[in-house]
Amino acid sequence: DGGITQSPKYLFRKEGQNVTLSCEQNLNHDAMYWYRQDPGQGLRLIYYSQIVNDFQKGDIAEGYSVSREKKESFPLTVTSAQKNPTAFYLCASSIDGWSGYTFGSGTRLTVV
Amino acid sequence: QQPVQSPQAVILREGEDAVINCSSSKALYSVHWYRQKHGEAPVFLMILLKGGEQKGHEKISASFNEKKQQSSLYLTASQLSYSGTYFCAPPDSGAGSYQLTFGKGTKLSVIP
Repeated sequence: DGGITQSPKYLFRKEGQNVTLSCEQNLNHDAMYWYRQDPGQGLRLIYYSQIVNDFQKGDIAEGYSVSREKKESFPLTVTSAQKNPTAFYLCASSIDGWSGYTFGSGTRLTVV
Repeated sequence: QQPVQSPQAVILREGEDAVINCSSSKALYSVHWYRQKHGEAPVFLMILLKGGEQKGHEKISASFNEKKQQSSLYLTASQLSYSGTYFCAPPDSGAGSYQLTFGKGTKLSVIP
């Protein structure tokens, strides 16, 4: 079955370290997204990509970076510049801007 | 701007109906609706389009108010499986926009 795979499910990071979250999809979707979710909050957009080799900043891009070298993959790097990185990170994809999103199961990042 | 959802939480008995509202300070061109169960990824329910067309879940419907600054999600004959947090997400700059802005969510609990 097609879907989105995020790994790892849980991730612990020491302060000052960069960490990369993986997101892979086999839905043949052009668009991919990264959202951050904090307790009691909605989802906030970090970055999105409409097509390979192109991506745009979302509302909270500071301290994060992405790449889109392949249609299937959209990894997110949480850099040491992100002041409060502990959160639940969700990757999603869609056919286009008119379609519903399919979400991955998420990565829960904890900074220790 | 983040849409405002109401109520923040609601408890229903099986078989009862519920309405969840999503209000915006500007006219809504379309609205996505998602449901998230605790610890899981959000799941796409439906898209409500400007002309009232709906794409998605069969047992869930939605509408705009007259000024199209509020969308309401209607859950009829609720089942235990309807429990979860419901998010509305209007596109940031009009229908077809790749940027969705999620509300903070409405927690729905269905009890026997």
